[in-house]
Amino acid sequence: GQNIDQPTEMTATEGAIVQINCTYQTSGFNGLFWYQQHAGEAPTFLSYNVLDGLEEKGRFSSFLSRSKGYSYLLLKELQMKDSASYLCAVRDSNYQLIWGAGTKLIIKP
Amino acid sequence: IAGITQAPTSQILAAGRRMTLRCTQDMRHNAMYWYRQDLGLGLRLIHYSNTAGTTGKGEVPDGYSVSRANTDDFPLTLASAVPSQTSVYFCASSDSGGANIQYFGAGTRLSVL
Repeated sequence: GQNIDQPTEMTATEGAIVQINCTYQTSGFNGLFWYQQHAGEAPTFLSYNVLDGLEEKGRFSSFLSRSKGYSYLLLKELQMKDSASYLCAVRDSNYQLIWGAGTKLIIKP
Repeated sequence: IAGITQAPTSQILAAGRRMTLRCTQDMRHNAMYWYRQDLGLGLRLIHYSNTAGTTGKGEVPDGYSVSRANTDDFPLTLASAVPSQTSVYFCASSDSGGANIQYFGAGTRLSVL
């Protein structure tokens, strides 16, 4: 079966750095996505990785290792507004997205 | 402002009733999707449409139907609602560029009693 694993919840301090991990087992791989979802709102796109390595976009970076079935999202200089759920999704061989359950990130002052 | 509009925002529905959730996009995206989101689970695909006139079944299609008469609209119908269909429903659309990024509507919160 297809599976996306990410931690259920993480806590970090304002101004710090946090890394949210995602491991996947899917039938085929055609890219990995990270989305942010604030409580009661829609998911919004953060990053896309299709090749191994690090993609940096401002305070957010995303890393992919296809051989290990592993990705992480790195958030730097955390702000209170970063409190949200972060969703990992993999596009499989049918070109459909398989979603993890999300990691709820709590930022403390 | 370009984007995806879903209606209604929320709804309480009696079991056995028929309900249509509306979704409209103005980004001229070819592909559209319906997901449900339940606590502790990832988004699960219900139905999708790669282009106007075509639809396909996702992971959890039972009890739901869709149509795609034109590019902009992709309604989701529950023919006879059951309590297990209580969920938050998101409509999304994607562009045809390399990443095919999906963009989401604000969601419909549905309670079936």
